[in-house]
Amino acid sequence: NAGVTQTPKFQVLKTGQSMTLQCAQDMNHNSMYWYRQDPGMGLRLIYYSASEGTTDKGEVPNGYNVSRLNKREFSLRLESAAPSQTSVYFCASSDPWTSGIYNEQFFGPGTRLTVL
Amino acid sequence: AQTVTQSQPEMSVQEAETVTLSCTYDTSESDYYLFWYKQPPSRQMILVIRQEAYKQQNATENRFSVNFQKAAKSFSLKISDSQLGDAAMYFCAYMPRGSGTYKYIFGTGTRLKVLA
Repeated sequence: NAGVTQTPKFQVLKTGQSMTLQCAQDMNHNSMYWYRQDPGMGLRLIYYSASEGTTDKGEVPNGYNVSRLNKREFSLRLESAAPSQTSVYFCASSDPWTSGIYNEQFFGPGTRLTVL
Repeated sequence: AQTVTQSQPEMSVQEAETVTLSCTYDTSESDYYLFWYKQPPSRQMILVIRQEAYKQQNATENRFSVNFQKAAKSFSLKISDSQLGDAAMYFCAYMPRGSGTYKYIFGTGTRLKVLA
């Protein structure tokens, strides 16, 4: 099992460009999440999908859109990138029925995005 | 609002010694989960230890243990016999049980340095 995979690992954009971060999990989890990690801020939730077909805003959703393409895949789109979106982005997944009683989240390796 | 506070941005420990990382949280919920994640330079988020709020017994995983004080809303991580491979960022996370969304709230992290 690959667990949670993310592409790309690194990306440099110019202000105003768009891009999509891809995330896939092979653990048959229902819930998926997108976080951003900034120095001194910890991980902050951007969007999440509690189950296939549903998405909801997290703490910092402005400037982002998401798509839960199917149960495996959850993508994050930046329509018009800004320097403030320079960050490391993590995708995670979990499921109360397969992750165990703790429903812990499993994380991808992250994408380092720089917006110039 | 639920918050998680890690008041130590950086800690150092001598190899083979013991170190304790602090975490406090604020919630009005009575049932929840708490987690410690480790993030080495590779960026991968690795679950270290987890605790259910209704369990009074402190969780242990080999050299890692927690001191969970529910009334004080404190969840500290003790690392015994520190090793060079323990050097990493450590994040405390809180998740209310029964919320239906299984969202984490993270602290801002503590960077642990292990001195040879």
